[in-house]
Amino acid sequence: SAVISQKPSRDICQRGTSLTIQCQVDSQVTMMFWYRQQPGQSLTLIATANQGSEATYESGFVIDKFPISRPNLTFSTLTVSNMSPEDSSIYLCSVVSGNSYEQYFGPGTRLTVT
Amino acid sequence: QKEVEQDPGPLSVPEGAIVSLNCTYSNSAFQYFMWYRQYSRKGPELLMYTYSSGNKEDGRFTAQVDKSSKYISLFIRDSQPSDSATYLCAMRENNAGNMLTFGGGTRLMVKP
Repeated sequence: SAVISQKPSRDICQRGTSLTIQCQVDSQVTMMFWYRQQPGQSLTLIATANQGSEATYESGFVIDKFPISRPNLTFSTLTVSNMSPEDSSIYLCSVVSGNSYEQYFGPGTRLTVT
Repeated sequence: QKEVEQDPGPLSVPEGAIVSLNCTYSNSAFQYFMWYRQYSRKGPELLMYTYSSGNKEDGRFTAQVDKSSKYISLFIRDSQPSDSATYLCAMRENNAGNMLTFGGGTRLMVKP
């Protein structure tokens, strides 16, 4: 399995500001994803982070609001832009490594927007 | 109707009980089935992973998939207070990249 770390683990931000979340994996992985988990809810896929090209966003999520970078096979960032209280959520990085279909999650970043 | 249905609980059991957690789904194209455990304020942890129908056992955990009924289960034997968490089922089609569809999660409480 892959070991995934995220920074920051939590943050409290003001409305209208932006926060960049980092995801670091201890090994090269084929696919990286960003999910959101709102309080008491299940996980919703935001986008697939593609190495060397633009991320693939799911319905309801746009690049201007959630820009994503993936400069190499072990690192990705998600920015939550122009935040509002509705963006308060846990943001999770997830990876699939090698030829396995097993998918692993990072510890999450707990974001509160005031 | 959601694509994957899971009773939210909470499910409260005494220590040592056998726990049965279940999900039903509507998409017959799902081929890969996973169970995740999520402790409060933590990321989901992959517990079990099965392909197509059948059973898989790992220690105190057994995963069952019945594709004919579109029904999957996770059994926990000799449940412990440390098993108290939210359990999420997730599934994926064979040719859907790695797009997982999650159930809403069942909150389990194991009381000493």
